[in-house]
Parts: sequence; C-alpha cells; structure tokens
Amino acid sequence: ETGVTQTPRHLVMGMTNKKSLKCEQHLGHNAMYWYKQSAKKPLELMFVYSLEERVENNSVPSRFSPECPNSSHLFLHLHTLQPEDSALYLCASSQDSGHEAFFGQGTRLTVV
Amino acid sequence: GENVEQHPSTLSVQEGDSAVIKCTYSDSASNYFPWYKQELGKRPQLIIDIRSNVGEKKDQRIAVTLNKTAKHFSLHITETQPEDSAVYFCAAHTGRRALTFGSGTRLQVQP
Repeated sequence: ETGVTQTPRHLVMGMTNKKSLKCEQHLGHNAMYWYKQSAKKPLELMFVYSLEERVENNSVPSRFSPECPNSSHLFLHLHTLQPEDSALYLCASSQDSGHEAFFGQGTRLTVV
Repeated sequence: GENVEQHPSTLSVQEGDSAVIKCTYSDSASNYFPWYKQELGKRPQLIIDIRSNVGEKKDQRIAVTLNKTAKHFSLHITETQPEDSAVYFCAAHTGRRALTFGSGTRLQVQP
C-alpha cells in the first residue's frame, strides 16, 4: 500500500450526472495532483495543489472542478461530462514538487 | 512548459536480453528525472530516478543515464525477465511544476 487511496475504483455516469472522485494520502506530503490516463495521452497532468493552493491548471475544461480542503484530501468534482472524458483518473502526492510522486490506484471512469 | 518525448512506444525483447528506452526533454532547467513502471491494471510506481547533478545511477539490473547537454536520458534494463513486462514512463520536473511524463513504452519480454 503506497498510502494514496482513491475512491471509487470504478464509476459509470451519465452525461447529465454530477459525481466526485476522492483521493486521500497518509504520507504527510504537501503536494497533490490529478492526472488523466487514456490511450490518447497516457499520463496527462490536470491539476496541481501545493500546500492546498492550486498552482497549476493545464487548460482543463470547466466540467472538471478540483477541491483541496486540506493537505491530505483532494477531490475532483465532475459534471456534464462527455464520453471522451472516459479514462483512468489518477491521484498522486509528493513531498514538494521535485520528489517522487506516489500514485493512487485510480478511478476508472466511464461516461455513457 | 516542459515537453518530454519517449521512444520507442513498444519494445519486444527475448528474456535475458537488454532493453533501452530513451527520452528527451525540452526545458534545460529540469533537474529531476524519474522512471515509472506500470503493470497491467496497476498504478505507476517509481523504479529509479536521477537528479541533474549526476550522470548515471544503477540499481541492480536497472540503470539510468543522463546527458544534460543533449537533454536526454535513458533507462537500461539488463538480463530482462518476463516480470519486467509493463509500460514504462519517463518524466521530467522543473521548479514548482509537477512531473511531465513521456508517452510511455510498452515492454514485452518474451520467455
């Protein structure tokens, strides 16, 4: 167990639904990340939080909304997604941004 | 921003042979270069990393080399085994930004 836990592991949602992905890290890290993994772009950075402050947003559509209430928790709120948003969403954490990133097991999202 | 290119996209070797995966990066300020292994259905996990103040690092059958002048780094796996079969990702880090990953190499080790 790497200490980064994501829930749910699998999610199927309709295009009009609203859902949230949750990530929790027990490693005492101060940086957390959301990555999207699909066949088109294997590991695509979405958002970066450092000390609970969003420091990077890689031109992600507004239908994805991150939230970092504290240094141990990270959420990704989803609404009105498109079928092309179906992918594996990976959360990661690190101690500062220049160190090893530990990944969660991911949430496999299917938008129908 | 940083751009990382990785080659080849697929690599098939016979058990016992060596495998080499190469990456180039664009930002000369990048200073941390990890390699991740992702087995089917599992999360990416760090296997080795190197910082810009060294040129080579080894850990048993795995080694990484870094050429800062040419802005490229490589992963070398010797005496490959079937359990080495996975997707390998290189990455580069600059300043406060998160890791930028290459597109991945699917390694298949034939028994």
